[in-house]
Amino acid sequence: DAGVIQSPRHEVTEMGQEVTLRCKPISGHNSLFWYRQTMMRGLELLIYFNNNVPIDDSGMPEDRFSAKMPNASFSTLKIQPSEPRDSAVYFCASSLARDGTQYFGPGTRLTVL
Amino acid sequence: GESVGLHLPTLSVQEGDNSIINCAYSNSASDYFIWYKQESGKGPQFIIDIRSNMDKRQGQRVTVLLNKTVKHLSLQIAATQPGDSAVYFCAENTDKLIFGTGTRLQVFP
Repeated sequence: DAGVIQSPRHEVTEMGQEVTLRCKPISGHNSLFWYRQTMMRGLELLIYFNNNVPIDDSGMPEDRFSAKMPNASFSTLKIQPSEPRDSAVYFCASSLARDGTQYFGPGTRLTVL
Repeated sequence: GESVGLHLPTLSVQEGDNSIINCAYSNSASDYFIWYKQESGKGPQFIIDIRSNMDKRQGQRVTVLLNKTVKHLSLQIAATQPGDSAVYFCAENTDKLIFGTGTRLQVFP
């Protein structure tokens, strides 16, 4: 079975550019989570969806970040405009239920110059 | 200014020995706990979980112990192998999963 799929795996962009990260959850999973991992702050939950509906976005750092889940098999995390401090590894995870075991994708390593 | 990263505690063990990784959690209302393993360049990988109505659960070469009295969780790895080298995270769940800072396990021959 395919696990959580993320694209791109690596992204290098310049400050001010728009960045879009993509995620395909495991088929049949109802919850999807976006995390950010940095050396400074560890693994942080940004936002999660249940049945395609955003439930908790309190971890989204600021208005430059937005996330969508137009259907059960696809989600995006957008940063506009990007800043160097957004450089991190962004993970997507999915689970059968909101409080179930989360399965992580391989991550997108974002570098903003 | 100089940036300071998280200081990950490191556990160094010899191949074949048993490893014990500890974790303290904060919320007494947490009812579900998970251990994840993260290898370099990869996402966290589920290892084992335990619910608050249990105090021990065993998997293949791994055992998780839960002490709710002192809000402590441990992961025991039997006969540690080089492939076990990774960062290990505990996570507690109430309405969402909260991850600890992690422990780096280094296995030397």
